[in-house]
Amino acid sequence: KNEVEQSPQNLTAQEGEFITINCSYSVGISALHWLQQHPGGGIVSLFMLSSGKKKHGRLIATINIQEKHSSLHITASHPRDSAVYICAVDWNNDMRFGAGTRLTVKP
Amino acid sequence: DARVTQTPRHKVTEMGQEVTMRCQPILGHNTVFWYRQTMMQGLELLAYFRNRAPLDDSGMPKDRFSAEMPDATLATLKIQPSEPRDSAVYFCASGFDISEQFFGPGTRLTVL
Repeated sequence: KNEVEQSPQNLTAQEGEFITINCSYSVGISALHWLQQHPGGGIVSLFMLSSGKKKHGRLIATINIQEKHSSLHITASHPRDSAVYICAVDWNNDMRFGAGTRLTVKP
Repeated sequence: DARVTQTPRHKVTEMGQEVTMRCQPILGHNTVFWYRQTMMQGLELLAYFRNRAPLDDSGMPKDRFSAEMPDATLATLKIQPSEPRDSAVYFCASGFDISEQFFGPGTRLTVL
């Protein structure tokens, strides 16, 4: 069983919709990351969280340490948000990755 | 615009050959990471360095892989001998501590 589970695996939305991607993990972590991988393959680090909530533009990330769960929200989604979103956790001097959520936003 | 650079961007080689991938971290960053991404396994952390010292390389197959930082401006990942199962995209990232990471464009390796 993977230590990090993401849902959904694939998500298609219309431009303007509110998007939520979920990440659950089964181990004690020191931090959680959200990464964005563009269709061309490049990876961007969006957030690093150890508690609470962070916001950057239209992106919001939350984490509940007790429930071992994090969410990534995108408000007013746009076709340029189409990418694979990957959750990763810092655990025991190592990192574990989710399988990713492929988001497609249609105009 | 500071960014992490990786060379080569693409490499095709034959099984048994040595492969060396290079990474130039962003100037001033003290932590460098090597990742591997495959369709089957997704992203995996292979190794990371802080202040040029290896902190963790438990994700790396030790018999054929080696990672070094000969100086603060260069990190290398070497595979010898390479095998077809090593075919993947290898990403380097740099930052301060494990919290902030800036990724390079990756090296796409194909071992025939």
